[in-house]
Amino acid sequence: NAGVMQNPRHLVRRRGQEARLRCSPMKGHSHVYWYRQLPEEGLKFMVYLQKENIIDESGMPKERFSAEFPKEGPSILRIQQVVRGDSAAYFCASSPRDREYGGETQYFGPGTRLLVL
Amino acid sequence: LAKTTQPISMDSYEGQEVNITCSHNNIATNDYITWYQQFPSQGPRFIIQGYKTKVTNEVASLFIPADRKSSTLSLPRVSLSDTAVYYCLVGPFTGRRALTFGSGTRLQVQP
Repeated sequence: NAGVMQNPRHLVRRRGQEARLRCSPMKGHSHVYWYRQLPEEGLKFMVYLQKENIIDESGMPKERFSAEFPKEGPSILRIQQVVRGDSAAYFCASSPRDREYGGETQYFGPGTRLLVL
Repeated sequence: LAKTTQPISMDSYEGQEVNITCSHNNIATNDYITWYQQFPSQGPRFIIQGYKTKVTNEVASLFIPADRKSSTLSLPRVSLSDTAVYYCLVGPFTGRRALTFGSGTRLQVQP
């Protein structure tokens, strides 16, 4: 069973360009999360999605950032008009459907390292 | 969300037992304690989770005192490959799903 897959692993963009980061959750997982990690810091939550729905985007900047998780295909984190401050590692995690007795583990992908020149 | 405090870094030698303590004084009744491990250039990996007393799996043990205001991750007989950052997270099983990571503890294992 393949783990969470992210691509590209490394992405270089110039200021003002768009960055598209893709995440394929583990098979059978219908919950996707995006996190951002700056150097020497912990991960910061950005957005939580289920298929075709954004559940919690409280950690996502209001401008330039958007996320989707379509019925078919991977989840996409899109950053428009990138700036140098967007340089970071972006991690995607997935988890299975809710269980009645609660509790879940999030499984993380290897991340996409975005460098904005 | 309960705030966690853990040492910034720790050093150890191969074969030793390592204990990393995390403080979470304002943990709520429905909060669980979860530890993740992160190697350089990789995503975090779940290690262990518990609510009270002691939990053990093939990787580590988690000790939680009765007042639950702290927890200790115990790694038996560490090896060089255990060099990583270890994060202590506290949060409810249900409700908000986002994980809140602190700065973690950077464990360096020497030969």
